[in-house]
Amino acid sequence: AQSVAQPEDQVNVAEGNPLTVKCTYSVSGNPYLFWYVQYPNRGLQFLLKYITGDNLVKGSYGFEAEFNKSQTSFHLKKPSALVSDSALYFCAVRAALYNFNKFYFGSGTKLNVKP
Amino acid sequence: NAGVTQTPKFQVLKTGQSMTLQCAQDMNHNSMYWYRQDPGMGLRLIYYSASEGTTDKGEVPNGYNVSRLNKREFSLRLESAAPSQTSVYFCASLRVQAMGETQYFGPGTRLLVL
Repeated sequence: AQSVAQPEDQVNVAEGNPLTVKCTYSVSGNPYLFWYVQYPNRGLQFLLKYITGDNLVKGSYGFEAEFNKSQTSFHLKKPSALVSDSALYFCAVRAALYNFNKFYFGSGTKLNVKP
Repeated sequence: NAGVTQTPKFQVLKTGQSMTLQCAQDMNHNSMYWYRQDPGMGLRLIYYSASEGTTDKGEVPNGYNVSRLNKREFSLRLESAAPSQTSVYFCASLRVQAMGETQYFGPGTRLLVL
């Protein structure tokens, strides 16, 4: 079965410090992995995705994510956090070979960036 | 492009009432989705439609029905609303490219069932 785990409900970081939001996954076959961000009272916005190729994926707003196949992880990172990065972040996965149209989302991690 | 639009933005229902949530996309995407978002549970798939004329159940379909009216529109119906259906509902569509897919989400419908 496909699933995604975001082990931290909340991450607190000071502005200017690096941030990491963790995600691990379970999927049959090769995974397609995604990160989305949700601001208050808004829908989800796409940040980045991993399909194949380099394990380090760069996305919007200076975010990047590292795919680690052996640890089945896809952690979201940013070298220097901004207060405006405060939001709810979701990791998602879909199996590459089947369940073609189904995406599985984690429970979300609330990122708080303090000035 | 308006992207993915949803109506209404907010609705209050009494237990047993029915309603239809509307979703439309103007990006010519084949696949569309309905999710519900509950605190601490992330997004759970209710139904999806891989293409016009087809619909399939997701993780939590009980109590819901869907209609893929045409390529643009995908509606979600609650026949007899229950308090457990209080949630935020998101519609999404899927862009497929050579380098993979990306889901685009609507702004959501906040539903309160009393």
